[in-house]
Amino acid sequence: EVQLVESGGGLVQPGRSLRLSCTASGFTFGDYAMSWVRQAPGKGLEWVGFIRSKAYGGTTEYAASVKGRFTISRDDSKSIAYLQMNSLKTEDTAVYYCLTMTTTFAFDIWGQGTMVTVSS
Amino acid sequence: QSALTQPASVSGSPGQSITISCTGTSSDVGGYNYVSWYQQHPGKAPKLMIYEVSNRPSGVSNRFSGSKSGNTASLTISGLQAEDEADYYCSSYTSSSAVVFGGGTKLTVL
Repeated sequence: EVQLVESGGGLVQPGRSLRLSCTASGFTFGDYAMSWVRQAPGKGLEWVGFIRSKAYGGTTEYAASVKGRFTISRDDSKSIAYLQMNSLKTEDTAVYYCLTMTTTFAFDIWGQGTMVTVSS
Repeated sequence: QSALTQPASVSGSPGQSITISCTGTSSDVGGYNYVSWYQQHPGKAPKLMIYEVSNRPSGVSNRFSGSKSGNTASLTISGLQAEDEADYYCSSYTSSSAVVFGGGTKLTVL
């Protein structure tokens, strides 16, 4: 079964850091670009960033709202993608989804999401 | 990068057809055939319904169709069913090597 499972969410104070993990199974992880999308409570979807597969250089792109604070990485040997979030702000509070991204920038496999709450 | 523009809500009766628009610019929707549509039921993760403007993933009903004209993409749902009631989002690749979503449209089946 094709599956993505996020972990690492929780309550964190403003200014602190948090790392989310996304464990993949059921497909060849290394062949896919991986992306993160978030959804604040009661709000719409917001793209966070993506990391290309090694075949496409393994490079990253980020939304302006998180650039310089968030870092996406991947460990193909473990089939895990990471989202390192630094200098967290209250407006980063959201459900964070891990997803696979096709070569035409469609998000075809979604995890169940993990909630991140930034509050003092 | 500004969000793509979608109507906040649309509604239709069972059996009818509805269309949701998604308006961007020549730097995103109009510049690439990389528009996707997602369906999200309350409390659930979104589901890919349309990719590359008009292609349906395996398993998605052919009642769902997509198109694009200029800077505006559209999702049409024909033969509305109660289970189609959900939030719908469009997305597009952009000239900044980013992805942008629309604000979302709530579909109500009357």
